[in-house]
Amino acid sequence: DGGITQSPKYLFRKEGQNVTLSCEQNLNHDAMYWYRQDPGQGLRLIYYSQIVNDFQKGDIAEGYSVSREKKESFPLTVTSAQKNPTAFYLCASRPPLRAFSGANVLTFGAGSRLTVL
Amino acid sequence: RKEVEQDPGPFNVPEGATVAFNCTYSNSASQSFFWYRQDCRKEPKLLMSVYSSGNEDGRFTAQLNRASQYISLLIRDSKLSDSATYLCVVIFRSANAGGTSYGKLTFGQGTILTVHP
Repeated sequence: DGGITQSPKYLFRKEGQNVTLSCEQNLNHDAMYWYRQDPGQGLRLIYYSQIVNDFQKGDIAEGYSVSREKKESFPLTVTSAQKNPTAFYLCASRPPLRAFSGANVLTFGAGSRLTVL
Repeated sequence: RKEVEQDPGPFNVPEGATVAFNCTYSNSASQSFFWYRQDCRKEPKLLMSVYSSGNEDGRFTAQLNRASQYISLLIRDSKLSDSATYLCVVIFRSANAGGTSYGKLTFGQGTILTVHP
């Protein structure tokens, strides 16, 4: 079955460490996204990528980095520069955008929960 | 003004009640609209797309009002299992700093629904 796999599901980090969250999809989607969700809050966009070897900053990119070397993979690195990294991180992908279509559905991975000790 | 805003909630309703959520959007060029459901500590999952003519899926009815720029979700005969956070998602075409067109997804902050016996 096609889908998005995020790993690890739970991750603990010491202050000052960089950590990388994995996101892999076999849906053949070009567009991939990383969101952050804090308790009781909505989703905030960190980075997105429309195509391989291209990515753009979202609303809260500071302290994060990404790469898109393969269509299937969009890893997110939470760097030590991110001052408050404890959150639920969600990766998502979407098929090519179609005008006025209900087919532009975003599919999410199960998420990675990062806690800073 | 936020690009996408939802009813603040939370909504607490008895089983069997009818409840409605609204979600307003500011960009008149918005193309695609969705309702997602998110259970506690889980990823959002697509509930239904929202079509221009309105659409129904069992107890759920979604409507789009382009003139007033809002979408709505109506839940009839509420069940205990409907308790969740409901997120609206709006997609519109935008362009990044390099002029590349992309689909910008914006989430509402979510509305918490609790259905009690």
